[in-house]
Amino acid sequence: GESVGLHLPTLSVQEGDNSIINCAYSNSASDYFIWYKQESGKGPQFIIDIRSNMDKRQGQRVTVLLNKTVKHLSLQIAATQPGDSAVYFCAENIGGGADGLTFGKGTHLIIQP
Amino acid sequence: DAGVIQSPRHEVTEMGQEVTLRCKPISGHDYLFWYRQTMMRGLELLIYFNNNVPIDDSGMPEDRFSAKMPNASFSTLKIQPSEPRDSAVYFCASSLGTGYLFFGSGTQLSVL
Repeated sequence: GESVGLHLPTLSVQEGDNSIINCAYSNSASDYFIWYKQESGKGPQFIIDIRSNMDKRQGQRVTVLLNKTVKHLSLQIAATQPGDSAVYFCAENIGGGADGLTFGKGTHLIIQP
Repeated sequence: DAGVIQSPRHEVTEMGQEVTLRCKPISGHDYLFWYRQTMMRGLELLIYFNNNVPIDDSGMPEDRFSAKMPNASFSTLKIQPSEPRDSAVYFCASSLGTGYLFFGSGTQLSVL
């Protein structure tokens, strides 16, 4: 079955607001997590990653939070812009990524003007 | 670097025909992955290579699918014979083995 999943298939937010995309994973042995962004007609693009020895990591306008207790991962996007409209995938791996990633089904983020 | 390069971008073929998808990984990356994306099943790992050697092909759906990596800069995914249910977007990705994967733009395959 699917070991990585998302709570909401579609998320609609106002431009300028913050977005939070959630992800649940079931494999407690997973130690590496990644968020990807996929725009229409393109391949998944890396956004940010986090290893299991951390619970928070920040990038430019994005923050990933990891809660290992409840096996939950979230992606926060600050001050969303029209260019943030895309499908966002969380992915997990055991061992740092060498043997491929298991992807969730994705959340479609829609930015309202 | 040009990133992972896939060809063709679009492929339309008839059922029963042979289809060959091509991939050029990022130079220096020693891991190469083939994924398939559909609305129903999302992104699925088909097979991956390390130093041109297939490591895990458990995701290959059936014997009609085969993948090769004759050298560090080229890989192919072949479907023979193709069927309508093979219609999907096929992605190639490469990595250094630790860390995230770099994906190509994909090949949109339509089997009529």
